[in-house]
Amino acid sequence: DQQVKQNSPSLSVQEGRISILNCDYTNSMFDYFLWYKKYPAEGPTFLISISSIKDKNEDGRFTVFLNKSAKHLSLHIVPSQPGDSAVYFCAAPSHNTDKLIFGTGTRLQVFP
Amino acid sequence: DGGITQSPKYLFRKEGQNVTLSCEQNLNHDAMYWYRQDPGQGLRLIYYSQIVNDFQKGDIAEGYSVSREKKESFPLTVTSAQKNPTAFYLCASLPRGMNTEAFFGQGTRLTVV
Repeated sequence: DQQVKQNSPSLSVQEGRISILNCDYTNSMFDYFLWYKKYPAEGPTFLISISSIKDKNEDGRFTVFLNKSAKHLSLHIVPSQPGDSAVYFCAAPSHNTDKLIFGTGTRLQVFP
Repeated sequence: DGGITQSPKYLFRKEGQNVTLSCEQNLNHDAMYWYRQDPGQGLRLIYYSQIVNDFQKGDIAEGYSVSREKKESFPLTVTSAQKNPTAFYLCASLPRGMNTEAFFGQGTRLTVV
């Protein structure tokens, strides 16, 4: 049972344009969501988070939007830069099971 | 500097051998996790622990074992029963019950030869 889903395995965006990465979840009990960025052969690094009491959180070029009724969140990167090329994971902690659940990831490629 | 350290970064094992991956954190975090990443796949949870001397199976625990004798340490043993052990292994920690980010180690690449 995949509680956190990222249905797009890859995304290719031109430098300077907007990148939009999507994530869907099935558990309405999730109250906190995180986005991680991962380069090959490295551990994921935290990027941005959002609490379920908000619908938007912004940090520089990164903005996360949460639509609770649709059980959907998205990460917007604008403007996209070549250094943003990485795999992005969304994640949510499950407080009733104490698990930290990750999506399958989306590989973003930003080309010049 | 506080952080989470995995060692070694690269590990080679012969078929039929057990091998132990180290994970140490000095962040005073209660919860620790082990994930596995395979090419083109996400992070799959192997085992996790919320407190010392207690741990739970994740989604793909078969062929693995863990211990949590100290708060700072959560070693993962890949046993000979694990059918496809070659993968990238990631350890993470975070404060228990808090909505905050998990910190990850740099990972261990295990290759069975």
